Order: sequence, then structure tokens, then C-alpha cells
Amino acid sequence: KQEVTQIPAALSVPEGENLVLNCSFTDSAIYNLQWFRQDPGKGLTSLLLIQSSQREQTSGRLNASLDKSSGRSTLYIAASQPGDSATYLCAVGGMYSTLTFGKGTMLLVSP
Amino acid sequence: DGGITQSPKYLFRKEGQNVTLSCEQNLNHDAMYWYRQDPGQGLRLIYYSQIVNDFQKGDIAEGYSVSREKKESFPLTVTSAQKNPTAFYLCASSMGGRMDEQFFGPGTRLTVL
Repeated sequence: KQEVTQIPAALSVPEGENLVLNCSFTDSAIYNLQWFRQDPGKGLTSLLLIQSSQREQTSGRLNASLDKSSGRSTLYIAASQPGDSATYLCAVGGMYSTLTFGKGTMLLVSP
Repeated sequence: DGGITQSPKYLFRKEGQNVTLSCEQNLNHDAMYWYRQDPGQGLRLIYYSQIVNDFQKGDIAEGYSVSREKKESFPLTVTSAQKNPTAFYLCASSMGGRMDEQFFGPGTRLTVL
């Protein structure tokens, strides 16, 4: 059964820092990987989708990489801002188009 | 304005009652999903439907039921058989292919009194 782990569970950084969030998964037979952002009490906002054949995707200050063979993905956030404070969730897509989620990394960016 | 709507935003239930959570999408997506989120936990899949009139159990289907009579609607009923129903419930949809992106609604917070 697929298991997804996110490290660290929580991260606090000063504004302006570049940071990396990590995601690992146990079964490399994935179809895609999605990174989401969740604000407290809200739904999920999709940030980046990486297909299994891709190595990375970029959107603005965000860059996500995927190494299927080692079961790892990273989300790189450049020049962090207080508005980036949220929980970031990693999810891998399986055979039946369903997602398996990690528990998330709670990020706090202080001014 | 395309998207996924969930109602109500907050729901309170007495023990022994069944309640139904609504999920509607106007994205013309074939697939719809229900997830449950508990504090400090990732999302867990309850049920999913890849096409109208068809649905499958996810990892934690016990105590829940769904229907998919229309493409745009996928209601979830939390029955009295669900022993610990207090949670945040999230609905999602996608085009339905294995490579497709999932989009989420704003969620319903269910509290059992």
C-alpha cells in the first residue's frame, strides 16, 4: 500500500528565505504527483502537478521536482513571504485516479 | 465561474442521525471524490466515482454511503454506523484520467454533538 511521508512536519522561517519541503513515497508506480496548499479551515488549492514522465514543474516562485526511482519530490519556494504561510500537502496519483496524501508541512513565514 | 461547491460549510449532528453533505461541480468533470481530514492528518479517501451511476469504496468507506445520479453531483451520507464522524470533509473532481489534476471544494466541517 502506498505511503506518503512529508518532512519536516513544521517549519518556521524569516521572510525572504528560500526553503525546501520534502515528500517521499514508498511505491514508485505513480501516475502523477500534486502539491497543494491549505489555509486553516479551507479547502485545498492545487499548486503544481507533475506527471510521472516529468522531472519538474515551475509556477512563479514555486518549483517542484520529481524523482520517481528514488520515491522523492521536493517543493522549492523562493524568496518566501508571510502570505506563503499555510500547510503544504503532497499527494501521489495511483492506478484508479485517486490520490494518496502525506500529512503535510505547516509553514510559518514571519515578517 | 467554474468550480466545486460544498454545502453546508458547518454541520452539527446528534448521535444516531444520518446527515447528507452536498457536493456540486460545474467543471464538466467525469470523476468525483470524497476525502476526510482529521487534525494533523493527511486526507483519506472515502468514496470515488469515475462515471455517473458508478462508484467505488475508498480506504475508509465504512459508515458512509454515496450516490452519483448526475454528473455534476456526488452527495455523501454519513450514517449512524460511522463511529467517529467529527471531521472536515472535502470533495474533489477531475477529468477522470490517471494523469489528471484534482480540484477541491471548500469543505464541510461536521461536528457530532
